[in-house]
Amino acid sequence: GAVVSQHPSRVICKSGTSVKIECRSLDFQATTMFWYRQFPKQSLMLMATSNEGSKATYEQGVEKDKFLINHASLTLSTLTVTSAHPEDSSFYICSAPDRQGLRDNSPLHFGNGTRLTVT
Amino acid sequence: ILNVEQSPQSLHVQEGDSTNFTCSFPSSNFYALHWYRWETAKSPEALFVMTLNGDEKKKGRISATLNTKEGYSYLYIKGSQPEDSATYLCAPNTGGFKTIFGAGTRLFVKA
Repeated sequence: GAVVSQHPSRVICKSGTSVKIECRSLDFQATTMFWYRQFPKQSLMLMATSNEGSKATYEQGVEKDKFLINHASLTLSTLTVTSAHPEDSSFYICSAPDRQGLRDNSPLHFGNGTRLTVT
Repeated sequence: ILNVEQSPQSLHVQEGDSTNFTCSFPSSNFYALHWYRWETAKSPEALFVMTLNGDEKKKGRISATLNTKEGYSYLYIKGSQPEDSATYLCAPNTGGFKTIFGAGTRLFVKA
């Protein structure tokens, strides 16, 4: 089945530094990837939609200068948390529909997520 | 913005018990509903995609029903096993790839 590889799985960084999270589709092409954030006991909150070769679409309330998204190829999307602060500590996860399933009801393939802790 | 409610938040059952949980969502502009299983330290895995009112899907001991008119879906697990322990997420969408996730039901099955 389709696999999405996300890394790192866990990262601890100091306040003020930037952290890059990568998501790769290993056996399919992903023209679209979604980035989510999850706080404890809450649902996955969509942050942005990453589009290959064009600008990402951010959800309301998500700072695009804070969470930089790049989708330079059909298999790689990156999320960079810039100038991280303790309140950015969270679980971040990506997903992608496979290109075969461009129908709106195709299921998503997820990465394993990244636990970010900012000290 | 879709408001998706899943209940209960968590559930503890004994091995062999059958169980079910609920996903509620606004019935207007419904397009499809997805159920995912999310085991600890793994990625969420698609279980079902449901689109039609009255749909019933089954995969082994797990089945799901859909009522789009009243805005709910039930997930059933028959004869729960420890390996069924996971968080079950429901995710309706109103068209397009943008799916909205519920907070999930966390199932613990004790051997």
